[in-house]
Amino acid sequence: DAGVTQSPTHLIKTRGQQVTLRCSPKSGHDTVSWYQQALGQGPQFIFQYYEEEERQRGNFPDRFSGHQFPNYSSELNVNALLLGDSALYLCASSFRDQPQHFGDGTRLSIL
Amino acid sequence: GDSVTQMEGPVTLSEEAFLTINCTYTATGYPSLFWYVQYPGEGLQLLLKATKADDKGSNKGFEATYRKETTSFHLEKGSVQVSDSAVYFCALSVGYGGSQGNLIFGKGTKLSVKP
Repeated sequence: DAGVTQSPTHLIKTRGQQVTLRCSPKSGHDTVSWYQQALGQGPQFIFQYYEEEERQRGNFPDRFSGHQFPNYSSELNVNALLLGDSALYLCASSFRDQPQHFGDGTRLSIL
Repeated sequence: GDSVTQMEGPVTLSEEAFLTINCTYTATGYPSLFWYVQYPGEGLQLLLKATKADDKGSNKGFEATYRKETTSFHLEKGSVQVSDSAVYFCALSVGYGGSQGNLIFGKGTKLSVKP
């Protein structure tokens, strides 16, 4: 049973560019959440998707957007990248009130 | 707003020592509480959870009790092993629409266990 899978594993971009990160949830899960983890910090909630709609959103600017597809997979898009966007981006999936399961993340570096 | 405060590390222990990592929380609703562990280069793994006051979560020798009166959820283990070396995160979640809402994490505590 595959867990949460994220792609790519690592990514290098330059300031001003745009990036798309992908996530496939654990089998049986229908809710996807995205988190940003800066080096040495705890993860910060970006947003959560359920039934292809953004259900909750954290304190992140509109440059951060997402999408959920009918098969429950999800994308995180970040526009106009800043140096401060360098971080590990974690995807987590869940079903109803069960705990969230995390992928191994995408390491994004901005030059 | 809701928040989690946990003791900052790093914490260095010898093998078989007793471990305590303190965690306190602030929440307006009735949160569920969690401990997650992160090994180098990996994502977060759920270690244990508790969903209501006085619940005790346990897994792999780790334990934590949901204390509403002290708003705490301290992580303990009686005898640590080298393989327990990792970063530990305390987190809370308030339910949302019948599902688990967003997780709010502490800053993490890095544990190093020496042989």
